[in-house]
Amino acid sequence: AQSVAQPEDQVNVAEGNPLTVKCTYSVSGNPYLFWYVQYPNRGLQFLLKYITGDNLVKGSYGFEAEFNKSQTSFHLKKPSALVSDSALYFCAVRSPNRLAFGKGNQVVVIP
Amino acid sequence: DAGVTQSPTHLIKTRGQQVTLRCSPKSGHDTVSWYQQALGQGPQFIFQYYEEEERQRGNFPDRFSGHQFPNYSSELNVNALLLGDSALYLCASSWGRNTGELFFGEGSRLTVL
Repeated sequence: AQSVAQPEDQVNVAEGNPLTVKCTYSVSGNPYLFWYVQYPNRGLQFLLKYITGDNLVKGSYGFEAEFNKSQTSFHLKKPSALVSDSALYFCAVRSPNRLAFGKGNQVVVIP
Repeated sequence: DAGVTQSPTHLIKTRGQQVTLRCSPKSGHDTVSWYQQALGQGPQFIFQYYEEEERQRGNFPDRFSGHQFPNYSSELNVNALLLGDSALYLCASSWGRNTGELFFGEGSRLTVL
């Protein structure tokens, strides 16, 4: 079965510093990978996806993700974090006709 | 353009009761999927409805059932509620079954006492 792992529970970063949220995947075949963000008491919002093509995927709100096939990783990145980026971030893989989510990473951006 | 809407937003039930949650998909979408998100966990796939039929099902007991109507809206029913059913229930819609980008509703938070 397709799956993703998010090894860190919480990521703390100072405002203005680069933000990285890690995700590794385990799939058979080509992976279709996604990042979603969840603000408190809200549903999930789509950030970006990788299906094929460039390994660097650009998404919403200044986020981007780097697909690395050799390391089976799909890390989410933002060059300069904002306090408003504090939220829960989920990596997901298509598995098939459904999404399998990781456990999530709490991101805390410190002013 | 309305996004995915879910109702109710919050509800409290007692063990053994039954609950129905409702979802209207984003305009133009024909596929509805339901996910359960327990506290501190990622969303877990319950099932997917397309053309008014359950097309895929996750690892959930038969107490969880659903329905899709001709207008593509959907219901999730849970019978014989257990304490462990307390969670945020998320509805997601898409165009077609081949899951690409899912659009999620705000969720229905169910508390079972």
